[in-house]
Amino acid sequence: GQNIDQPTEMTATEGAIVQINCTYQTSGFNGLFWYQQHAGEAPTFLSYNVLDGLEEKGRFSSFLSRSKGYSYLLLKELQMKDSASYLCAVRPQTGANNLFFGTGTRLTVIP
Amino acid sequence: NAGVTQTPKFQVLKTGQSMTLQCAQDMNHEYMSWYRQDPGMGLRLIHYSVGAGITDQGEVPNGYNVSRSTTEDFPLRLLSAAPSQTSVYFCASRSRAGLSTDTQYFGPGTRLTVL
Repeated sequence: GQNIDQPTEMTATEGAIVQINCTYQTSGFNGLFWYQQHAGEAPTFLSYNVLDGLEEKGRFSSFLSRSKGYSYLLLKELQMKDSASYLCAVRPQTGANNLFFGTGTRLTVIP
Repeated sequence: NAGVTQTPKFQVLKTGQSMTLQCAQDMNHEYMSWYRQDPGMGLRLIHYSVGAGITDQGEVPNGYNVSRSTTEDFPLRLLSAAPSQTSVYFCASRSRAGLSTDTQYFGPGTRLTVL
């Protein structure tokens, strides 16, 4: 089976840095994705990691440790528009490259 | 390009009714999938397809049927709706020929309520 865990809710202050953690136990591993989902909207792609290390993309960075089954999404210089749910998803090696999702972390950015 | 489109956006059904959720993509993607999203459960895979004429079950397939007669369309059918199928349904597509970094593109979702 697949098990992907992330915190349910987080709150952070505008301008600050926040780290959203994700741990996973899956039958295979072919990449980890982070998505952003605003309320009432579809998920949109943020980042992808398949090798250990940090991937940086503007204000967002994502880290992966395959040996620990661990990833985090780092958001810098938080803005009010970053208030959203952040979904961690793993693509196992088996199957048609579909994704298994965590329950999502609802981030609230306060002034 | 329209990307991934879904219709309807909202639907209310009575228990036992049947209906089809429509999904279409204009990116010539081989892979298409249907997910449902429920509070506290995350997105769960219902059915998926790796190309026209080929479909397979995901994590939660019971009560749903799919078909893939063309590359563009991937409808999801509810044969006899149940209150447990109240959810938000997302269709997604991805290119098989692309890089492994290629992600799935999601449609805007269909919010279904079964009374």
